[in-house]
Amino acid sequence: SHVLTQPPSVSVAPGQTAKISCGGSATELISVHWYQQKSGQAPVLVVYDNFGRPSGIPERFSGSTSANTTTLLISGVEAGDEADYYCHMWSNPLQQYVFGSGTKVTVL
Amino acid sequence: EVHLLESGGAVVQSGGSLNISCEASGFDFGSYAMNWVRQAPGKGLEWVAGLRSRDYWTDYADSVKGRFSVSRDNSKRLLFLYMKNLTVDDTGLYYCVKKFSLEVDAFDFWGRGTQVTVSS
Repeated sequence: SHVLTQPPSVSVAPGQTAKISCGGSATELISVHWYQQKSGQAPVLVVYDNFGRPSGIPERFSGSTSANTTTLLISGVEAGDEADYYCHMWSNPLQQYVFGSGTKVTVL
Repeated sequence: EVHLLESGGAVVQSGGSLNISCEASGFDFGSYAMNWVRQAPGKGLEWVAGLRSRDYWTDYADSVKGRFSVSRDNSKRLLFLYMKNLTVDDTGLYYCVKKFSLEVDAFDFWGRGTQVTVSS
């Protein structure tokens, strides 16, 4: 079972903003990270600690938090953004790392 | 440039054991915690095990606790995962991943993975 809840899929038109949610207990969503995994490739870190952006990641990728949800935002979506996206965090109650179930982003 | 190269994946029978490795380059290996993450065919990511850099503290997912053992050789820049009592549920692509920093829990670099297949 997944501590972090993600929608299975999100569809977005080119140029629009994709919003991918990651839900969990408010007391646990302290530092959430996001990964992009394109078909046949290893995951790539796109956002860390809710808002941080690693070197080389476009500014189109950003994060936000509210209540019990952390969200990955992809603005100006391009065809190349089609991928599976996973949220991830260290769970203090479980004393383990946990991943969300993943969201498949489709660009229409 | 950071580079992580996994090796040792194989087809093993249920109940068997296997040792996989990861060779790191391009960063101060001994200063970073390292982890293993796996992905079953067509499924999501699952964290498996982690090993800190300074005190060598280990953490394991409940699904592998007591069966898997993570270790490292800093002088050779190698990370290992020893797996025993393997089941078909352990089948997957095993990634070697580097922890971002002491303060940040994210995984900033991933290898390409090594395939472990457990046959019944």
